[in-house]
Amino acid sequence: DSGVTQTPKHLITATGQRVTLRCSPRSGDLSVYWYQQSLDQGLQFLIQYYNGEERAKGNILERFSAQQFPDLHSELNLSSLELGDSALYFCASSAPASDRGRGGYTFGSGTRLTVV
Amino acid sequence: ILNVEQSPQSLHVQEGDSTNFTCSFPSSNFYALHWYRWETAKSPEALFVMTLNGDEKKKGRISATLNTKEGYSYLYIKGSQPEDSATYLCAFLSAGGTSYGKLTFGQGTILTVHP
Repeated sequence: DSGVTQTPKHLITATGQRVTLRCSPRSGDLSVYWYQQSLDQGLQFLIQYYNGEERAKGNILERFSAQQFPDLHSELNLSSLELGDSALYFCASSAPASDRGRGGYTFGSGTRLTVV
Repeated sequence: ILNVEQSPQSLHVQEGDSTNFTCSFPSSNFYALHWYRWETAKSPEALFVMTLNGDEKKKGRISATLNTKEGYSYLYIKGSQPEDSATYLCAFLSAGGTSYGKLTFGQGTILTVHP
């Protein structure tokens, strides 16, 4: 157990639907990062939050949004789902001294999303 | 778009062999280079974070070197064991202001160690 908790582990939903993926960072970590891994693709950065504020944004689709709450957990909302959104979605967190990349990130076990 | 390339894509070695693989990244605007180990059905686990040109890091039988001027890092595994079988990922962090903590990952090198 890495200390980063992601729920649910698996999600199957239909095209056009909306889902919410949840991440609780490791205790004491202020930064949360979301990554997407599609078939045959590497880990693609979506977005970073630090203590409730957005810090960096990748090629995140407009149909996707995220937020980090006061208790530091984060949610990734995916709407108007398409078949191509099927992927493994990872959340990672980092300690305050490491949020600018000077320390390793701790990954959760991921949420596998299947859109049918 | 930042390009992080890893080679080879996959590698099969025998137990006891030593092996190495390469990560290439942009040589400008360097901030940090991460290495992760990703075992099947698990999540990526941080091995090293390297920030200075010429850095060398070691953890047990695994070590890494960094050349920021030419934009490459090597990961070495000495005396490979079957439990070293995993995908090894490198990730680059640019010094650009908008990058902040955004790690750009390579596609990984899949290592299989045969007993």
